[in-house]
Amino acid sequence: AQTIHQWPVAEIKAVGSPLSLGCTIKGKSSPNLYWYWQATGGTLQQLFYSITVGQVESVVQLNLSASRPKDDQFILSTEKLLLSHSGFYLCAWMGGDAETLYFGSGTRLTVL
Amino acid sequence: GDQVEQSPSALSLHEGTGSALRCNFTTTMRAVQWFRKNSRGSLINLFYLASGTKENGRLKSAFDSKERYSTLHIRDAQLEDSGTYFCAANRGSALGRLHFGAGTQLIVIP
Repeated sequence: AQTIHQWPVAEIKAVGSPLSLGCTIKGKSSPNLYWYWQATGGTLQQLFYSITVGQVESVVQLNLSASRPKDDQFILSTEKLLLSHSGFYLCAWMGGDAETLYFGSGTRLTVL
Repeated sequence: GDQVEQSPSALSLHEGTGSALRCNFTTTMRAVQWFRKNSRGSLINLFYLASGTKENGRLKSAFDSKERYSTLHIRDAQLEDSGTYFCAANRGSALGRLHFGAGTQLIVIP
């Protein structure tokens, strides 16, 4: 069975500080991977997707970047956090023939 | 502009009753998914539909690409059904953007 693990569970960071969020998928080779973000009271937005190692496509510009250093790993990062980066970040993978999305448990980020 | 309009934004149901959530799309969508938010805030997949209907227990979903809508029916609502439900749809390849509705907050009343 496939499992998806996100870390950390929550972060409180200062404006201008760096950020790195991680996501690991186990039990699925060459998964399509996604980063989503939801501001408090906002709608879930897709940020990035990746279909293979080393390839990442940006969907929404939020002064964030993503990388896929390994087949089973997807990293979301920035060198300088903004207040507007606060929210809930979800990693997801797409499974099977049905293109169903499966989400990780999420990271709640608070930027002060 | 917004491509997915989800309604109602909030819904109260008495235990044992049922209702439907609806998502209207401003453009033709290829497929729709329905999710429920769990206690941590993550999303649990309920249905994926490229057409037609699917049923799972007390939940049933339908998707009509031509008429640009999808529904999620809940019957015999139970207290544990309370939560926030989302629809999401994609126009082209699912590798591209998945457009989410704003969610429906369901409260089941004893």
